[in-house]
Amino acid sequence: NAGVTQTPKFQVLKTGQSMTLQCAQDMNHEYMSWYRQDPGMGLRLIHYSVGAGITDQGEVPNGYNVSRSTTEDFPLRLLSAAPSQTSVYFCASSYSGTDNTEAFFGQGTRLTVV
Amino acid sequence: DQQVKQNSPSLSVQEGRISILNCDYTNSMFDYFLWYKKYPAEGPTFLISISSIKDKNEDGRFTVFLNKSAKHLSLHIVPSQPGDSAVYFCAAPLFQGAQKLVFGQGTRLTINP
Repeated sequence: NAGVTQTPKFQVLKTGQSMTLQCAQDMNHEYMSWYRQDPGMGLRLIHYSVGAGITDQGEVPNGYNVSRSTTEDFPLRLLSAAPSQTSVYFCASSYSGTDNTEAFFGQGTRLTVV
Repeated sequence: DQQVKQNSPSLSVQEGRISILNCDYTNSMFDYFLWYKKYPAEGPTFLISISSIKDKNEDGRFTVFLNKSAKHLSLHIVPSQPGDSAVYFCAAPLFQGAQKLVFGQGTRLTINP
């Protein structure tokens, strides 16, 4: 059982380039989210999805797009990379429903924009 | 506005002693709290949680205490082991379901032999 898988693990982009960070989960979770981690700031929510075809913005959505065409996949697109998007990105998934539960995280993608 | 705060960026504890990590929150609507542990180059992994209907939850060496009136929670690790050296985040969901978590800044715990 792979859990949450992110690719690539490392990426260097030039300013203005675009790219897609991939995230896939095999736990049949309805909920999926993207976070970025910056020094001294913890993890901040970029976008999230409560099911296929449904996405919404988090705390820091500017410069990022998401889509959710299947339950398993939740890619994050950088439209025109900027140095301020240098960060470590984590994808997470969790069960839906009315009970509180934990989120499961991928291993992260370290992105550097030069 | 930082709704979840961890004011100690780092903590150093001797092996075998107790580690106490603290977390404060400002949003009185939070009713569930989680602690995550993160090793370098890995994603956060869930450690322990607590519901607001409790003031304590225990799992082996890990205990979380919740003081709702003070909007404060703490994670106790007893006894501390070298493998506990990691960054610890406290978090709370903005509403039920874990798709929108608000995280503290994290505390780096170092266990010294």
